[in-house]
This record gives sequence, structure tokens and C-alpha cells, in this order.
Amino acid sequence: NAGVMQNPRHLVRRRGQEARLRCSPMKGHSHVYWYRQLPEEGLKFMVYLQKENIIDESGMPKERFSAEFPKEGPSILRIQQVVRGDSAAYFCASSLRDRELDTQYFGPGTRLTVL
Amino acid sequence: GQQVMQIPQYQHVQEGEDFTTYCNSSTTLSNIQWYKQRPGGHPVFLIQLVKSGEVKKQKRLTFQFGEAKKNSSLHITATQTTDVGTYFCAGWGKKLVFGTGTRLLVSP
Repeated sequence: NAGVMQNPRHLVRRRGQEARLRCSPMKGHSHVYWYRQLPEEGLKFMVYLQKENIIDESGMPKERFSAEFPKEGPSILRIQQVVRGDSAAYFCASSLRDRELDTQYFGPGTRLTVL
Repeated sequence: GQQVMQIPQYQHVQEGEDFTTYCNSSTTLSNIQWYKQRPGGHPVFLIQLVKSGEVKKQKRLTFQFGEAKKNSSLHITATQTTDVGTYFCAGWGKKLVFGTGTRLLVSP
């Protein structure tokens, strides 16, 4: 079984550009979570999605950030008009069942650098 | 909002010494999970504790969930250089909130 896959692994953007981060959950998993990790810090919850639905986006900035998990294809975290403060590692995790009852499996992350 | 703190932030031990990290939540948790993240890597799930006072062991690692379900600890006996990394607890309240992490460095 392939694990959680994320691409790209590294992404460099200039200020004002858009960043698109992709996450393919483990096979059979329908729950996807996005986290942000700043250097030397812990993981901060951003958004929780199920297929075609955003369940909890309380950790996601209201502006410039959006997430989706379409019926077909990977989940996408989109950051518009990136700023230097968006530089971080973005991790996606997936789980099989309702989030409180199951383990989250993390992908390798996308390291975003904004120049 | 729910906060999860860990102490210490950083610990440097000699190989063979023991190590403990403590996790404290501002609210009662339904369960707690522990993850390990190697430098440059991603969090890897270690264990989940659900019951009040629960103790679980994985080889040299011992995990404990407090009676009040607001704190937890991870103890490593006789550390090895392969134990290097940052250990995070993560508690379920209304969402999974990660602790601040304890970075462990082990010298041979």
C-alpha cells in the first residue's frame, strides 16, 4: 500500500505568486487534514476535509488560503499571492475513519520557500 | 482555545541515559497520540492512549495517560542514537492539537 503522497516535495515561489500543494491520501482513506509547520515549531492544524466537503477550516487563514478535496483526484491546498511568512513545511495527513477514532498518517510534506 | 504544552523543549543526553517528555493540556482530552519526527522528516505515529491512567509499552518506550486525561508522558529507557528526533504529543479535544514538541539529541 502506498502511503500518503504529497507533491511537490519542494516548491519555490516569488512573492505574489500562487502555490498549489497536492496530497493523495492512503488508499481507502476519505479523511484529509492539512498542517503547517514553521521551522523549529510544532504542527498547526489548518483544515479538515472529506470528499467534496470542508469539515473544519478553523485553522486556515481567511484570506489567500483555500483547500479542496474533489470527488476524483488529490486534495489541493492553494495559497494565493504568497508572502515570505508563508514559507513553511506543509504536511497532509489522512485517516480511514472518523478522526477521533483513527490514526492519522502523514505524507512527506511540501517545503515551501517564498523568495 | 485548547493548548497542549510539552516540556522540556530540548534535551541532550548521552547514549544509554533515560529520557522523559511531559505533555500537558489545558482541557480534558478524549485521547492522546504520540508522534516522532526525525530531522527533515515527517511525523510518524507511535501510539494512541484512550483510557484514564492507561500505560502502554513499545520496547524501550513507555507511554502514560494521566488519570484526569489532561496530561501524558513518554519515557525512553537507555536511549540510542536512533532515538534522535522531535517527539510530539497530540490531543483530541474538538480537533487534534499538537504539542510544542521535545527535541531529543543523543550523543554516542
